[in-house]
Amino acid sequence: NSKVIQTPRYLVKGQGQKAKMRCIPEKGHPVVFWYQQNKNNEFKFLINFQNQEVLQQIDMTEKRFSAECPSNSPCSLEIQSSEAGDSALYLCASSPRDTLYFGSGTRLTVL
Amino acid sequence: GDSVTQTEGLVTLTKGLPVMLNCTYQTTYSPFLFWYVQHLNEAPKLLLKSSTDNKRTEHQGFYATLHKSSSSFHLQKSSVQLSDSALYFCALSAYTNTGKLTFGDGTVLTVKP
Repeated sequence: NSKVIQTPRYLVKGQGQKAKMRCIPEKGHPVVFWYQQNKNNEFKFLINFQNQEVLQQIDMTEKRFSAECPSNSPCSLEIQSSEAGDSALYLCASSPRDTLYFGSGTRLTVL
Repeated sequence: GDSVTQTEGLVTLTKGLPVMLNCTYQTTYSPFLFWYVQHLNEAPKLLLKSSTDNKRTEHQGFYATLHKSSSSFHLQKSSVQLSDSALYFCALSAYTNTGKLTFGDGTVLTVKP
């Protein structure tokens, strides 16, 4: 079973609403990733952190998406103003070095 | 940029038959290849990984060999089971990329009785 814990499992929002999801990485894993998996099962990298610092992020993340990984608190991904196209499975993964271990995801539906 | 190609979108087999899911990749860096399996409503789980050229890696009856000469990392199993029905992803990490994975489009494997 995955040791990466994501909450909530399901999230339903209206267009324009904020959507926030959380992730507790596996203990001892310094790197955390967020991916978006769409209805066609395609993965899109959003952002990654190492020890609370952003390593890489895509342009989409810089606009409506915000994310953080504070010490001693869950990581979070927030969409400031949800759009229908944001409906997807959001996967958090943590890594000790070179292998990603995924959580079960938060399935966001934007009505 | 880096890319991963999985040629089969859907594979349907009868239980007990062998399977090979194709994966080829492109990168200018030293590759690290992965296979993940995702069952319905579950997290993608690591199945296999390799960065060693021409060395077979095995787990849970599945095996794959990284061939840098052909940029391939095909997944195989000699006898599929009903429980193998799932979505399989090949993924690439290039060493300069801080572990970020580039995924293929995935192959849905359906095993019938």
